[in-house]
Amino acid sequence: EAAVTQSPRNKVAVTGGKVTLSCNQTNNHNNMYWYRQDTGHGLRLIHYSYGAGSTEKGDIPDGYKASRPSQENFSLILELATPSQTSVYFCASGDIWGGVEQFFGPGTRLTVL
Amino acid sequence: TQTVSQSDAHVTVFEGDSVELRCNYSYGGSIYLSWYIQHHGRGLQFLLKYYSGNPVVQGVNGFEAEFSKSDSSFHLRKASVHWSDSAVYFCAARSTGGADRLTFGKGTQLIIQP
Repeated sequence: EAAVTQSPRNKVAVTGGKVTLSCNQTNNHNNMYWYRQDTGHGLRLIHYSYGAGSTEKGDIPDGYKASRPSQENFSLILELATPSQTSVYFCASGDIWGGVEQFFGPGTRLTVL
Repeated sequence: TQTVSQSDAHVTVFEGDSVELRCNYSYGGSIYLSWYIQHHGRGLQFLLKYYSGNPVVQGVNGFEAEFSKSDSSFHLRKASVHWSDSAVYFCAARSTGGADRLTFGKGTQLIIQP
């Protein structure tokens, strides 16, 4: 069964601190994605990747960096966290039909105080 | 600008009723369309997709969707809902010639009353 896991599942950070959200997939998919979900906005794409060493900007990349060191792992990095980055973050992987069918992780709830 | 619109933030029906969740898109050229379901506190799960051919596509758990180019729509339907269908439903699209990424609508929460 396809599997995408995220860690941590919950995180409380302080303003100005560095936060790293991790994602691991065992689907052997080339494509991986980071989204944030906020009430009234649905899912918004932050960064995505076509494979190890690749990162692409999504619709809302400001304030976020991404790293894809391997096929399996994709990290989202907040170098200087702000309260506006309080959200639920989802990682997904998916190659089928060019990313039309994606497999999502369970999400990480991030609170920045 | 490519957009996906879901006009209803909430839809409430009784168990056993039929339901239609609406999705409209604004894209130039050919697109892929899909629907996802999100149960409370969980990640999204893929339901179905459309690219070409028969405009009515079948998904899991009795869901189907119908593509209409003239209306720029891809509405999701189910003939008889179950309480377990209570969830948020997202419509998504990507351009066939573009990057391997989806644009999601804002979602519709389906509430099933007993």
